[in-house]
Amino acid sequence: KNEVEQSPQNLTAQEGEFITINCSYSVGISALHWLQQHPGGGIVSLFMLSSGKKKHGRLIATINIQEKHSSLHITASHPRDSAVYICAVTWGAGSYQLTFGKGTKLSVIP
Amino acid sequence: EPEVTQTPSHQVTQMGQEVILRCVPISNHLYFYWYRQILGQKVEFLVSFYNNEISEKSEIFDDQFSVERPDGSNFTLKIRSTKLEDSAMYFCASSDRETLYNEQFFGPGTRLTVL
Repeated sequence: KNEVEQSPQNLTAQEGEFITINCSYSVGISALHWLQQHPGGGIVSLFMLSSGKKKHGRLIATINIQEKHSSLHITASHPRDSAVYICAVTWGAGSYQLTFGKGTKLSVIP
Repeated sequence: EPEVTQTPSHQVTQMGQEVILRCVPISNHLYFYWYRQILGQKVEFLVSFYNNEISEKSEIFDDQFSVERPDGSNFTLKIRSTKLEDSAMYFCASSDRETLYNEQFFGPGTRLTVL
């Protein structure tokens, strides 16, 4: 079964720290998504990438297709970054549904 | 900014009852999805819908589930006879294409509680 694994499951950081969340997947994909889930439950798309690197503000997402691995980095973390960060993939071959990882719960302490 | 909306935000029902969860996708989007998240678990795909028919469905989406686009704006998920294990957050999503770059926009979710 095609799987998406994330690590760590939980992460606590001090405000200002550099944060890395990792995602690995079992077989080739067409695209990888990073999403943010707020405490109230809503899901927001942060990045969608199939190669290389993308940056938006303090967030950076990278993907290594050969290694089947992606990372989400947050620079100068802030308490408002506290949320669950989810990696999801589309496997391609005519399938566009998202397969989700379990998420990483990030808590940034002032 | 256009957004996906869902109603109700919370639905409580008795086991065996029918429920209809409603979604209004972004107006120019053509591809629609339902996902669910059981408390403490990961988000799971249920079904995708395009051109008035189901494109893909998961093993979860059995005969108790159905989807419909009854008019030009709403997209509904019906559960015919709810079970306790149907209690979850249900998310609707929409996108304007089904390509390699398939950004899906999510609604705020409907929390379904089956008693």
